[in-house]
Amino acid sequence: ETGVTQTPRHLVMGMTNKKSLKCEQHLGHNAMYWYKQSAKKPLELMFVYSLEERVENNSVPSRFSPECPNSSHLFLHLHTLQPEDSALYLCASSQDGTSGSFAYEQYFGPGTRLTVT
Amino acid sequence: RKEVEQDPGPFNVPEGATVAFNCTYSNSASQSFFWYRQDCRKEPKLLMSVYSSGNEDGRFTAQLNRASQYISLLIRDSKLSDSATYLCVVNRRGSQGNLIFGKGTKLSVKP
Repeated sequence: ETGVTQTPRHLVMGMTNKKSLKCEQHLGHNAMYWYKQSAKKPLELMFVYSLEERVENNSVPSRFSPECPNSSHLFLHLHTLQPEDSALYLCASSQDGTSGSFAYEQYFGPGTRLTVT
Repeated sequence: RKEVEQDPGPFNVPEGATVAFNCTYSNSASQSFFWYRQDCRKEPKLLMSVYSSGNEDGRFTAQLNRASQYISLLIRDSKLSDSATYLCVVNRRGSQGNLIFGKGTKLSVKP
């Protein structure tokens, strides 16, 4: 079992709904990530938080809003999503990479399978 | 050129076979390399890190060729439980914690 948990595991929402995805890591890491995985596409990095500060936002639409209240918790707030946003949303954590010249391995949660109707 | 390229497969092999996966990456400044496996509808799980001198973990051997920007994974004595998609992962230098994932190579081990 991984030390990263995600809730809910499955979510169906309409385009006008607001929902939040939650991630919690129990590994003592201080960097957390949100990824999107669509069918037949590689994982796409959405957001990176290091020491609770957002350090990267990969041109993600504003209908996705991350929040990192502490080093163990990460949220992804969703509003007015589109059907093409249906995907598996994965949270990951790692030790904090310092200089950016190398990266620590990341550990993933089980994901939230999101369907937007 | 894509940042990380893998043969998508599928590789269909009998139990006990040896199978090799290859991966190329475009950023010569990358410093960190990994292989992950992903089972159907599950999250990616770290299989092994890849070190410059090559490394082995049981039936799995990873090799890195920096000059050719090429990474390989060899699986010996394949088991049914090895059936999964294998993801080649490389860091994007200068971007904190940023890992670039290949699309993966699907392996199916048959009895």
